[in-house]
Formats: sequence, structure tokens, C-alpha cells
Amino acid sequence: GEDVEQSLFLSVREGDSSVINCTYTDSSSTYLYWYKQEPGAGLQLLTYIFSNMDMKQDQRLTVLLNKKDKHLSLRIADTQTGDSAIYFCAENPNAGNNRKLIWGLGTSLAVNP
Amino acid sequence: EADIYQTPRYLVIGTGKKITLECSQTMGHDKMYWYQQDPGMELHLIHYSYGVNSTEKGDLSSESTVSRIRTEHFPLTLESARPSHTSQYLCASSEEGHNSPLHFGNGTRLTVT
Repeated sequence: GEDVEQSLFLSVREGDSSVINCTYTDSSSTYLYWYKQEPGAGLQLLTYIFSNMDMKQDQRLTVLLNKKDKHLSLRIADTQTGDSAIYFCAENPNAGNNRKLIWGLGTSLAVNP
Repeated sequence: EADIYQTPRYLVIGTGKKITLECSQTMGHDKMYWYQQDPGMELHLIHYSYGVNSTEKGDLSSESTVSRIRTEHFPLTLESARPSHTSQYLCASSEEGHNSPLHFGNGTRLTVT
């Protein structure tokens, strides 16, 4: 069945790079997303990548997609304490139908000063 | 900045009470969603709507009901709250069209005693 897997916890030192990994199972996925959830808040879209791309960069964020291995990663450069949050990976295996977004369990990122 | 609002933010209520969680968005989005988020962070889609007078059950069975009488308003009702309903409820909306990102409210944390 469809599944998205993420490691649950990541701890980094302030100023280092963080890499959050995600694997998915549906090869028909057209878009893959990264959402961020700060404590006590809803989810905020960070970035997304279309399946015909290998990489997308947006300021401190770099998304890498390995379609062969069905592996997605989010790299945060120069991680700050404000980046401490839960990061969700999600795939859209059915283009145009957000109802079928498949979510990972979220990776809790802790940034230590 | 997404304009989607949920009230109340926190609610503690006794077993058997009827409650309505409010969700409103001012972006004119046709699609709206309710997610239930477990303490372990996993997101479950419980209801969605693609427009006025259109509501569908999500992937996780829920005893709650929803209505969509106006585009901007998507309330969720529990006729008789139980401790098993204790959770965080997140409302989201998105534009029509392929792969439009979800905009989330800040959530309602419900505790049923």
C-alpha cells in the first residue's frame, strides 16, 4: 500500500546543516511536499518538488529527489533555533486530488544552541 | 499569509456534551479539509469538501459530522463527546486546481474528560 516513512527525531547544533529524510512507495507520485509544524500551530507549506525534478533550492532549503530509490530529503543550511519544529513529508500520488495526500509521521527537529 | 481561522484553540469538555469546532477561511477556497492529529503527530483525514453542499468522509472513520453551507465556513460537530475524541483537530483549505498546497489553521486541541 501507499506509505511515507520518516525518522522521528533529529538533533543538530545551531549553525550546522540539518538533513531530514523521507521515503515513499508510490511511484506515480507527481508532487512531494515538505510542511513545517511549530509547537501549538497548524502546518505550513515549506516547499514542494515536482517528480520530474531532481533538486530544488529556496534560500536555506534544498530538496533532493531520488526517484529510483523513492527518497526525498530536505536540507536546512545554517540551522537556527527557530527551525525547531516537526517536519512532515507528504506525497500526492493522484494528481489534482489533495484528498489523497499521504503523510509521513513527521520528524521532530531539535536545534541546540 | 494564509487566512484560515479555527476556534476555539483549546476546549475541555465533559463526556456526552455536544460540541462544534469552527473553521473559517477568507481566501475563497473551494476545497476544505478536517484532519485529526494524534499525540504521536500522525495526521488522519476525517472529512473533506470540494464546495458548498459537498462533504465526504475521509480515510479515518470519525463519529463527527461536518456541513458546508457557505464557501468560507466548514464546522465540525460531535453530537456526544467521548474521551476517545481527545485529539488535535486541524482544518485546512486549498484552491481548486492540481496540487494546490494546503493552508492550515492553528488547530483546536480538544480534551474530553
